[in-house]
Amino acid sequence: QVQLQESGPGLVKPSGTLSLTCTVCGDSITYDNWWSWVRQPPGRGLEWIGEISHGGTTKYNPSLKSRVTISIDKSKNQFSLRLTSVTAADTAVYYCVRVLTAFQGFPNWGQGTLVTVS
Amino acid sequence: QTVVTQEPSLTVSPGGTVTLTCASSTGAVTSDYSPNWFQQKPGQTPRALVYSTSNKHSWTPARFSGSLLGGKAALTLSNVQPEDEAAYYCLLYYGDSWVFGGGTKLTVL
Repeated sequence: QVQLQESGPGLVKPSGTLSLTCTVCGDSITYDNWWSWVRQPPGRGLEWIGEISHGGTTKYNPSLKSRVTISIDKSKNQFSLRLTSVTAADTAVYYCVRVLTAFQGFPNWGQGTLVTVS
Repeated sequence: QTVVTQEPSLTVSPGGTVTLTCASSTGAVTSDYSPNWFQQKPGQTPRALVYSTSNKHSWTPARFSGSLLGGKAALTLSNVQPEDEAAYYCLLYYGDSWVFGGGTKLTVL
């Protein structure tokens, strides 16, 4: 069974950089899938942040593209999110998600981690 | 800025049928948008229900079905159960990015 677990600071100062890591168990990050980040501000809806392929190709939300970097560490079976110049509007629960290739869905989600910008 | 629109809220009686829709600001939704649907209950992680318009995951109850309807993606719940009360989100693909709808709060009453 595939499991994903987010980790990283729960508090980031305004204008600082948010950095999160997702550790994947039960699947190799080098297999033919995509790995995504989704966030949800408190009491609000879901927002797709971006994703990275097993080969390192990235896609980003146009509204966040200038501040986001998603990277992959095959040796640790992890992928990471970096969001710069954060403001209070970036306060959210951040989820890492496994995306199956060939548009077969977003079946596996981490439990989510709350990051507060303050 | 692409906008994906869902009904903010819907109410259905137990045992009834309800259809949630997902519209795109760019025009009619087709299978090329690879519509996905997710269910999220309060305090829980989103759970994937449907992918690529109408395909169900192994855990998706049979009473959930996805389709295209009148230029929109649609999720129909039949024989609605009390445990179906939740927020439902659609997700559409735009070539190099995905966009979530704002979500529909479904009340079973």
